Amino acid sequence: AQSVTQLDSQVPVFEEAPVELRCNYSSSVSVYLFWYVQYPNQGLQLLLKYLSGSTLVKGINGFEAEFNKSQTSFHLRKPSVHISDTAEYFCAVVTGGGNKLTFGTGTQLKVEL
Amino acid sequence: DGGITQSPKYLFRKEGQNVTLSCEQNLNHDAMYWYRQDPGQGLRLIYYSQIVNDFQKGDIAEGYSVSREKKESFPLTVTSAQKNPTAFYLCASSRGSGVNTEAFFGQGTRLTVV
Repeated sequence: AQSVTQLDSQVPVFEEAPVELRCNYSSSVSVYLFWYVQYPNQGLQLLLKYLSGSTLVKGINGFEAEFNKSQTSFHLRKPSVHISDTAEYFCAVVTGGGNKLTFGTGTQLKVEL
Repeated sequence: DGGITQSPKYLFRKEGQNVTLSCEQNLNHDAMYWYRQDPGQGLRLIYYSQIVNDFQKGDIAEGYSVSREKKESFPLTVTSAQKNPTAFYLCASSRGSGVNTEAFFGQGTRLTVV
């Protein structure tokens, strides 16, 4: 069975500082990985995805993530955050032959002035 | 514009009532999903459907029912058997399985029991 762990429930950071949101997954087979962002009282929007190929994936709003198979991780990074990045971020995984996403519990990113 | 439409945005239900949440998509996606979101628990899968007239239970299906009579529509009924229905409900769709499992989400319905 696949599962996703987001260890940090909240991450406070000052504006223009770098940030990393951690995501680890467990699966014994090949996986596809996703990061989504959710603003208050809205649905989820795709930030980026890893399907195959280069392990460094670039997404929208200046975010990027690196797939590390040996560490079963897919951490999300941004070199300089903005107030508008304040939101909840979800990591999700699906196994190669699977048909549904499994989500982590989310990380609330709070950017402060 | 293609997308997923959920209605209503806010819904209030009295104890013992059934309510139905609407989800419509015009993305021509085969698969549709219903998730429940509670604070600190992430998204939990209620039901999903890979094709018209077929659906499967997710992790927390008890107290819920669905139908998939049309490709575009996947309504969710929250029955009186659901003990704690107050939550934010999200509908999603995808092209299919595996690499096509990238999900597109609606704006959600917030259900409150009064």
